[in-house]
Amino acid sequence: EPEVTQTPSHQVTQMGQEVILRCVPISNHLYFYWYRQILGQKVEFLVSFYNNEISEKSEIFDDQFSVERPDGSNFTLKIRSTKLEDSAMYFCASSEGTDYGYTFGSGTRLTVV
Amino acid sequence: GESVGLHLPTLSVQEGDNSIINCAYSNSASDYFIWYKQESGKGPQFIIDIRSNMDKRQGQRVTVLLNKTVKHLSLQIAATQPGDSAVYFCAERGYSSASKIIFGSGTRLSIRP
Repeated sequence: EPEVTQTPSHQVTQMGQEVILRCVPISNHLYFYWYRQILGQKVEFLVSFYNNEISEKSEIFDDQFSVERPDGSNFTLKIRSTKLEDSAMYFCASSEGTDYGYTFGSGTRLTVV
Repeated sequence: GESVGLHLPTLSVQEGDNSIINCAYSNSASDYFIWYKQESGKGPQFIIDIRSNMDKRQGQRVTVLLNKTVKHLSLQIAATQPGDSAVYFCAERGYSSASKIIFGSGTRLSIRP
């Protein structure tokens, strides 16, 4: 069964450093998403991406965040200057279209120290 | 804003019994609903979805019921097994926002042997 692949599975970074979280969505999917989940809390929407541009973003997704699809297969989330409160699980997801459920990756656990 | 350390409702069910997990959604304009299962350390896994023009949809051992009048969604799991232990999230997509789905706060299902 096709999967969404995320790397790394765990990233530890110092406060103020830049991090890039990587995702390989399912190959025939056109819509891509990033969500995050702070430990013990619900899954929160960050951003959606379609046709090489952001479709929608939440208030969490401020100027410190950016997304990119640098080639035909990868989809990345960059946090420019990490803060302690950015520590969370970050999930990438993709879907065939807006009328379909999303397939999520296994996540990247980001720990900011 | 979000509560820190959100306490998840818990449902404890005897193995072999049926489980019913409930969800109240907030947006009367939502037109698409999904149930996700999240096991510890993993990403949300799609279980079943339903569109707003339906009241009921069945899958393998799972049934989703939608009551638009009271904005209520339920997930029924037949003959609950140990592997069903997880946190279950309902998610909704608003008609005006085809770009994203929003997750509810989740219910932890635990199975008694």
